[in-house]
Amino acid sequence: GIQVEQSPPDLILQEGANSTLRCNFSDSVNNLQWFHQNPWGQLINLFYIPSGTKQNGRLSATTVATERYSLLYISSSQTTDSGVYFCAVNYGQNFVFGPGTRLSVLP
Amino acid sequence: EAGVAQSPRYKIIEKRQSVAFWCNPISGHATLYWYQQILGQGPKLLIQFQNNGVVDDSQLPKDRFSAERLKGVDSTLKIQPAKLEDSAVYLCASSLEGNGYTFGSGTRLTVV
Repeated sequence: GIQVEQSPPDLILQEGANSTLRCNFSDSVNNLQWFHQNPWGQLINLFYIPSGTKQNGRLSATTVATERYSLLYISSSQTTDSGVYFCAVNYGQNFVFGPGTRLSVLP
Repeated sequence: EAGVAQSPRYKIIEKRQSVAFWCNPISGHATLYWYQQILGQGPKLLIQFQNNGVVDDSQLPKDRFSAERLKGVDSTLKIQPAKLEDSAVYLCASSLEGNGYTFGSGTRLTVV
């Protein structure tokens, strides 16, 4: 089956800093999504991004499908950005999650 | 649009008891998924429905887990009997072909 890796596994930032999260996948995929899981466990969809670049406020994402990776950029981080960030890929009829990046933003 | 609704939000049961979770997907979403998320891990697919038919249940422990989606709308996931290792958050998601997934708030199950 497909392997989905995320890096770094853990990240600690000072409020206001920028960061880049990476997702690598081992095979061609139909689609890719980035999620933020807040401290209450809710999975919030950030981007549906099978290819190209999208931006939403302080967040942006880029997927290079031919090279099998995606990047999530967080600029001017805030404490409310804390939580776990997952990428998930559509592989055939399955939707496979990576292990996540745990982000802590300190005030 | 209304999101994916799940209930209950929390459930505590003793091992060997049974439990059921309910999910109401976004209106019009043909595909519905149940995921299990153990603390510290990413969600793992248990079962996928397309309308009221099962597309993938290869990771569903069928000796104790069952799921149904009558009339292609609401779905229930049942565990009988529960084991300690079933303690997890159970997430329901729905999608429309060609679009992304939307998740519900989940049900946190604790088996004691």
